[in-house]
Amino acid sequence: DVKVTQSSRYLVKRTGEKVFLECVQDMDHENMFWYRQDPGLGLRLIYFSYDVKMKEKGDIPEGYSVSREKKERFSLILESASTNQTSMYLCASRVAGSPETQYFGPGTRLLVL
Amino acid sequence: SQQGEEDPQALSIQEGKNATMNCSYKTSINNLQWYRQNSGRGLVHLILIRSNEREKHSGRLRVTLDTSKKSSSLLITASRAADTASYFCATDSWGKLQFGAGTQVVVTP
Repeated sequence: DVKVTQSSRYLVKRTGEKVFLECVQDMDHENMFWYRQDPGLGLRLIYFSYDVKMKEKGDIPEGYSVSREKKERFSLILESASTNQTSMYLCASRVAGSPETQYFGPGTRLLVL
Repeated sequence: SQQGEEDPQALSIQEGKNATMNCSYKTSINNLQWYRQNSGRGLVHLILIRSNEREKHSGRLRVTLDTSKKSSSLLITASRAADTASYFCATDSWGKLQFGAGTQVVVTP
């Protein structure tokens, strides 16, 4: 079974802090994705990566950056957390090529005070 | 921007009855996927239907796709308490998924 894990289930940070959200997948998937989920808005794509050291902006990249140094790990970075980044963050991975399903991690609920 | 729009936003259904939810989208797609999310958890893939398919079944799930109307429906037959969850459609255009806001389904005894 594919396993996608995220470093924290719940996280509380203060405005201005630098925040790292880690995602690890164990199925050698090339593609990895970061989404945020807000009530009434569904999932919105922040960044994605087709392979190691590659990254592409999604629909809402502002205020975020990513890092993909190893194939299995995709990190989302909030350079200076703000209260409007309070949200549920979901990581997903997928074998390269479409059509393929995405496999999601359990999510990290981030609260920025 | 949201590509898929689910309807209804919320659905309460009695155990044993069928539940139907719809998804409309705006642009051309390669395929459309349905996912389920239990409260506070990640999404689980349910079914994928390609743009050249009209209907697909998986267990108690039936998905239809009408590309001329840019719409899809998900039918859950003989619903169970364990089907209580949020259901999302996602359209796939060249590898990127665009999700709708979801339909929240509650199955009551």
